[in-house]
Amino acid sequence: QVQLVQSGAEVKKPGASVQVSCKASGYTFTNHDINWVRQATGQGLEWMGWMNPKSGNTGFAQKFQGRVTMTRQNSLTTAYMELSDLRSEDTAVYYCARGRGGGLSYYFDFWGQGTPVTVSS
Amino acid sequence: QSVLTQPPSVSGAPGQTVTISCIGSSSNIGARYDVHWYQQLPGTAPKVLIYGSTNRPSGVPDRFSGSKSGNSASLVITGLQAEDEADYYCQSYDTRLSGSYVFGTGTTVTVL
Repeated sequence: QVQLVQSGAEVKKPGASVQVSCKASGYTFTNHDINWVRQATGQGLEWMGWMNPKSGNTGFAQKFQGRVTMTRQNSLTTAYMELSDLRSEDTAVYYCARGRGGGLSYYFDFWGQGTPVTVSS
Repeated sequence: QSVLTQPPSVSGAPGQTVTISCIGSSSNIGARYDVHWYQQLPGTAPKVLIYGSTNRPSGVPDRFSGSKSGNSASLVITGLQAEDEADYYCQSYDTRLSGSYVFGTGTTVTVL
């Protein structure tokens, strides 16, 4: 069965960086994009970007360009998301999600359990 | 600020039918991009409920159905059950801002 297992909770100071990992199992890792979505407490879902594990190509929401990096280690079937220059408004639960489909129809069919990130001085 | 607008909340008694709307524009739903729906139970990750505007993944009860027309889409829950109490989000793609996947503002369903 498809599973995405994320790393544990993080507490960071403003200006620092955080890296969250997402280990995939149950499918061929290089066949599907990994996306990252975040959710602040009591708020909605916000898409951050995608990464193609086969090519390493990435695409980011304009809001995060210049501050987010998405990488992978295929031998470990693990994807990583790093967010730099953290601010209090980056406090949220970060999810990885597998991409499915393409063209006019692309959605997220499996999700990790979420990683809480708290930014506080 | 999301480009897909949903009602903040809807409610219904067990057995009733509720409808959640997702209103977009010509740069997303109206540009023929499909709409997908997710259910998020309290304290858990979202789960896909409807994909490709009208399709249910295996395991999703047939009381959930989706439709799309013009710049908007709808999720209908027929025969509401207590376990349907959750947050629901629509999702599509928007061609503005260099292209981006977008979620709706979210709707909380309360079973009375």
